[in-house]
Amino acid sequence: GAVVSQHPSWVICKSGTSVKIECRSLDFQATTMFWYRQFPKQSLMLMATSNEGSKATYEQGVEKDKFLINHASLTLSTLTVTSAHPEDSSFYICSAGGLSGGNTIYFGEGSWLTVV
Amino acid sequence: DAKTTQPPSMDCAEGRAANLPCNHSTISGNEYVYWYRQIHSQGPQYIIHGLKNNETNEMASLIITEDRKSSTLILPHATLRDTAVYYCIVRAPGPNTDKLIFGTGTRLQVFP
Repeated sequence: GAVVSQHPSWVICKSGTSVKIECRSLDFQATTMFWYRQFPKQSLMLMATSNEGSKATYEQGVEKDKFLINHASLTLSTLTVTSAHPEDSSFYICSAGGLSGGNTIYFGEGSWLTVV
Repeated sequence: DAKTTQPPSMDCAEGRAANLPCNHSTISGNEYVYWYRQIHSQGPQYIIHGLKNNETNEMASLIITEDRKSSTLILPHATLRDTAVYYCIVRAPGPNTDKLIFGTGTRLQVFP
C-alpha cells in the first residue's frame, strides 16, 4: 500500500521556539494532505487540510498563525508550530491518499512534540 | 459523512475471533465503510473497506449488513499485537472526502 512518512518521530523544544514537522508521500503524489492532533487517550482531531500550491484550510478553533502549513510540492507538507507552549505538546499525525493513493487514505507514523 | 457508533471497549482472548461492530444507520448509497486501527503511539493503520459486499484481506474480514446500516470487522485469530483502538469511518469517494473524521472508536484488548 501507499506509504506516508513523518519526520521527526519525536521532538522536544523549549517554550517560545518553533518546530517543524514534515509529512511525505513516498510513492504517490498528494495534492491534499491532512494534519491531525491527538492528546493522550483521545481520538484524532483534524486540524487542517494542506493544499499543494495554495493556502491551507483550517478547522474551526485552530489558529492558522500558530500552526503554519506549507505544501510546496506534491509529496511534501510541513507543519510548523510557532512560539510553542507546553499545551501544544501532543501527537501530530498527517494523512494523504485519496484518488492519488488508490482512494485509500494512509497515515504517517506520527510525531510526538513535547514543549518544555 | 455519516456518523458511526461503536462500543467503547471490548475484550478478546488470544487465538479467538474478535468481532467489532459498527452502526452507521444514516449511511448514504455511495458511502464506503472504512476500518482503521491505531496501536498505541502510532499513526492509524488502514485495515479494510467495503461498499456493500463482504470483503476479506490478509488482515481481516468485513461483513456489511444487507441494509448497510451496520457492519462488523472480524479479526479471525486475534493476537496480542491486535490490541489497539479500532475506528469505523464511512466516507464517499471523491476529492472532497479525503478528510476523515474520527469518532471515539473501540478499544480492543486481547488477553493471553
